[in-house]
Amino acid sequence: AQSVTQLDSHVSVSEGTPVLLRCNYSSSYSPSLFWYVQHPNKGLQLLLKYTSAATLVKGINGFEAEFKKSETSFHLTKPSAHMSDAAEYFCVVSDRAGTYKYIFGTGTRLKVLA
Amino acid sequence: EAGVAQSPRYKIIEKRQSVAFWCNPISGHATLYWYQQILGQGPKLLIQFQNNGVVDDSQLPKDRFSAERLKGVDSTLKIQPAKLEDSAVYLCASSPGLAATDTQYFGPGTRLTVL
Repeated sequence: AQSVTQLDSHVSVSEGTPVLLRCNYSSSYSPSLFWYVQHPNKGLQLLLKYTSAATLVKGINGFEAEFKKSETSFHLTKPSAHMSDAAEYFCVVSDRAGTYKYIFGTGTRLKVLA
Repeated sequence: EAGVAQSPRYKIIEKRQSVAFWCNPISGHATLYWYQQILGQGPKLLIQFQNNGVVDDSQLPKDRFSAERLKGVDSTLKIQPAKLEDSAVYLCASSPGLAATDTQYFGPGTRLTVL
């Protein structure tokens, strides 16, 4: 069965410094992987997705993630944090077998300090 | 392009009452999902429709929850009777089809408080 582990429940960074949000996955098949962001009282918004093309995926707002099969990881990074990046981030795996349903991680709350 | 619409945005009810949520997906999207997001957790899939048929309802508490998508477009999710532990945000999402690579687009959610 597929699963996702987000290694940090909370991350704090200073504005202008790099962001690293960690995600490890478990999947019996070649997975599709996604990162979503959720701002307070807002719906989930797709940041980026990996679908077995390029292993380095670029998303919106300067975020990117690298799929590493050997490490079963899909960490999210951004070179320079902005105050508007403060939100909850979810890593998601969609298995290629069965109904392709999303399995969400427990989320990482990113705090950006001025 | 209009996004996924949900109503109401907020609902407060007493335990043992019933409640219904409505969702209108993105036009042309065949697949519709209902998720439950308890505070501090990631969303959990309750039910998944492909057009007007149920694809997966394995995590739907069928003794109290029901959902329908009669014409393959909009959908309603009902809870009857509600329990305290049903307090959560109920998210609706839609996607073009059922491929693993399909992106799901989420609505703003309905925040339910059961007193």
